[in-house]
Amino acid sequence: DAGVIQSPRHEVTEMGQEVTLRCKPISGHNSLFWYRQTMMRGLELLIYFNNNVPIDDSGMPEDRFSAKMPNASFSTLKIQPSEPRDSAVYFCASSLAGDSSYEQYFGPGTRLTVT
Amino acid sequence: QKEVEQNSGPLSVPEGAIASLNCTYSDRGSQSFFWYRQYSGKSPELIMFIYSNGDKEDGRFTAQLNKASQYVSLLIRDSQPSDSATYLCAVSEGGSTLGRLYFGRGTQLTVWP
Repeated sequence: DAGVIQSPRHEVTEMGQEVTLRCKPISGHNSLFWYRQTMMRGLELLIYFNNNVPIDDSGMPEDRFSAKMPNASFSTLKIQPSEPRDSAVYFCASSLAGDSSYEQYFGPGTRLTVT
Repeated sequence: QKEVEQNSGPLSVPEGAIASLNCTYSDRGSQSFFWYRQYSGKSPELIMFIYSNGDKEDGRFTAQLNKASQYVSLLIRDSQPSDSATYLCAVSEGGSTLGRLYFGRGTQLTVWP
């Protein structure tokens, strides 16, 4: 398996622009997680889906952030409009929830810089 | 908010020594416990998981779990410079089967030659 795939790997954009991050989970996994990592705040869970349904979006910073999972093999995280404080590394992770293990596997991340 | 606390470090050990990383958690219902390694500029990589009280060994790594004390640790024997990384402790959400994990802030480990 190719593992979790994220694109783009790097994104540099200007304040006010729309940013869309993409994720393809591991085939067969039914839970998908979006995280943000900064030096100041560590690894933060933004939102997670189970069977394509959003379960908890309480970590989404504000209404500028939105996430979708239209099918089992694709998810997007959108920031509109972007701000410099959104600069961070965004990780997508997936797992096969429902058995007793819950191991999450992370994608390579998207490094976002908002100027 | 469910807490996962790790000794912040940084932890520095000489090559060949044992590195000990500790983690405590607040959710008594948690059943699954994980250690991730994260190299600088890379994504977290799962290296160990443990579900039952006691020790679990995998090569140079040993995970220890004590649910009564809400404590999990990772021992790295014969530490190598390649073990230098940040180690994240993660704990499953009690009472849920949806796979959410709570992560600690991580402990930075440096192994010097």
